[in-house]
Amino acid sequence: NAGVTQTPKFQVLKTGQSMTLQCAQDMNHNSMYWYRQDPGMGLRLIYYSASEGTTDKGEVPNGYNVSRLNKREFSLRLESAAPSQTSVYFCASSAPGLAGSDTQYFGPGTRLTVL
Amino acid sequence: GNSVTQMEGPVTLSEEAFLTINCTYTATGYPSLFWYVQYPGEGLQLLLKATKADDKGSNKGFEATYRKETTSFHLEKGSVQVSDSAVYFCALSDRGGGFKTIFGAGTRLFVKA
Repeated sequence: NAGVTQTPKFQVLKTGQSMTLQCAQDMNHNSMYWYRQDPGMGLRLIYYSASEGTTDKGEVPNGYNVSRLNKREFSLRLESAAPSQTSVYFCASSAPGLAGSDTQYFGPGTRLTVL
Repeated sequence: GNSVTQMEGPVTLSEEAFLTINCTYTATGYPSLFWYVQYPGEGLQLLLKATKADDKGSNKGFEATYRKETTSFHLEKGSVQVSDSAVYFCALSDRGGGFKTIFGAGTRLFVKA
């Protein structure tokens, strides 16, 4: 099992450009998440998808959109990148609903720089 | 709302020293508590967890006990190694919050040989 995979690993954008970050999991998890990690601020939830066909805003959704393409895939889109979106982005998945099974499994991250 | 507070870093220790990283939480329900670890250039991975009061989670020599009376989940290890150098995140997940996980800000640990 590959677990959670993310592409690309690194990306440099110019202000105003758009891009999509891809995430896939092969653990048959219902829930998927997108976080950003900034120095000294821990992880902040951008969007999440509790199950296939649903998406909800997290703590910092402005400037982002998401698509839950199917049970395996959850993409994050930046329509018009801004320097404030320079960050490390992590995708995660989990299988909540069962006792003790709300552990999150993380991908390796995408390091995005917006110039 | 739910929140997690953990001690600020960085924490610098010599090899074989005792480690404690403090974590306290605020939650309206009965959360599960976690410690995640992030090694350089990688994503987070679960280190240990506890799902109810007085449970002790343990893994790789690390331990943490779920203390409801003090709303704490402090991470300890009796003898750290250089390979333990990483960032450690305390977190909680509450069914009342739809299983969204709340993370602390992270504590960076440096272990010197």
